Amino acid sequence: SAVISQKPSRDICQRGTSLTIQCQVDSQVTMMFWYRQQPGQSLTLIATANQGSEATYESGFVIDKFPISRPNLTFSTLTVSNMSPEDSSIYLCSVQGLGSNEKLFFGSGTQLSVL
Amino acid sequence: EDQVTQSPEALRLQEGESSSLNCSYTVSGLRGLFWYRQDPGKGPEFLFTLYSAGEEKEKERLKATLTKKESFLHITAPKPEDSATYLCAVQSYSGGSNYKLTFGKGTLLTVNP
Repeated sequence: SAVISQKPSRDICQRGTSLTIQCQVDSQVTMMFWYRQQPGQSLTLIATANQGSEATYESGFVIDKFPISRPNLTFSTLTVSNMSPEDSSIYLCSVQGLGSNEKLFFGSGTQLSVL
Repeated sequence: EDQVTQSPEALRLQEGESSSLNCSYTVSGLRGLFWYRQDPGKGPEFLFTLYSAGEEKEKERLKATLTKKESFLHITAPKPEDSATYLCAVQSYSGGSNYKLTFGKGTLLTVNP
């Protein structure tokens, strides 16, 4: 299994500002994933981050709003830019375990509130 | 587009009262169906993967089953520590991202002592 550390665990931000969320994994992984979990809604994939290439965004999510970095095989960041109250959500980092038939491991999440 | 519907949205049980959670899905080609448990303030924790109709998996008081249209998570003689949100997700061959999972909204299970 993979141990995923995510920071910050929670934050309260002002409208129009940006927040960068960090995700650190205890082992090297090829693919890292960023999910959003809005209140009462299902977990939704934002983007897939591969080391050495640009992130791949899902429909409805754009790089200008959610820029992602992936500088090495154990670390990634997600920035939520120009925030509005609609961005209030839990943001989760996840990785696929090696040889685990696509089983995903998740970090503990970042609870973001935008005022 | 893959779709996952979980029912009920919330379920309250007395300790020892067995029940089942349902996950109905629509996919073009099922690669795997996943069950996760999520406690408040934490990320989802993996429970089971099922790959084909008729498959069953067990872990302690939990048993997951799969048909061509739905999956059930059976909870036998639950304890208060089984209280959590249970998430179902599917992975299909037609997804734009090879490892994209489509999640349901979850079932919030509360087990009273």
